[in-house]
Amino acid sequence: QVTLRESGPALVKPTQTLTLTCTFSGFSLSTSGMCVSWIRQPPGKALEWLALIDWDDDKYYRTSLKTRLTISKDTSKNQVVLTMTNMDPVDTGTYYCARTFGQWEPFDYWGQGTLVTVSS
Amino acid sequence: EIVLTQSPGTLSLSPGERATLSCRASQSVSSSYLAWYQHKPGQAPRLLIYGASSRATGIPDRFSGSGSGTDFTLTISRLEPEDFAVYYCQQYGSSPYTFGQGTKLEIK
Repeated sequence: QVTLRESGPALVKPTQTLTLTCTFSGFSLSTSGMCVSWIRQPPGKALEWLALIDWDDDKYYRTSLKTRLTISKDTSKNQVVLTMTNMDPVDTGTYYCARTFGQWEPFDYWGQGTLVTVSS
Repeated sequence: EIVLTQSPGTLSLSPGERATLSCRASQSVSSSYLAWYQHKPGQAPRLLIYGASSRATGIPDRFSGSGSGTDFTLTISRLEPEDFAVYYCQQYGSSPYTFGQGTKLEIK
């Protein structure tokens, strides 16, 4: 059974760095083709893909946020970590991690998401 | 980036009725790399359709997808009470992956 769960702070202050962890089970990120992405959804807005890391440790970022994002993995712990620097109130939203089996494949499993509010 | 526009924003129907949801892309979606997801509050989004028309594992056959190029449709043939949710389309054929803004399917 594949599961993913996001964890991290519910509240961060402007200019701070956000660190989110995706802990998964039921698959290995060392399996050829496996990928995990981060996706967010600001309140009332569309889902927005942020970053992807694959089994080979290749990383891809949303161009507009590339300077602020870092994605990494710990295969032994079955975790993927996303850091986002210089947080702003517009970054408020629900953050999801999701799995794809191949870079050009749909997200077949998602976590339930974690709500992050950016406010002083 | 490819912009996906879903319509209608809200669809009010009764159980047993047929639902037709639309997703229009600002440019052609490569190889019909178009997916549909169902999302209920507090739950993880659920993959319904991929490749524009292929049902994901375990998805009932009342859900069907069609379309190509820039126009795609999700059809739910006979609505069950558990089908009332928000539905998103997504293209995964070009970077960045993009999503539509969603259609809320509510009980009339």
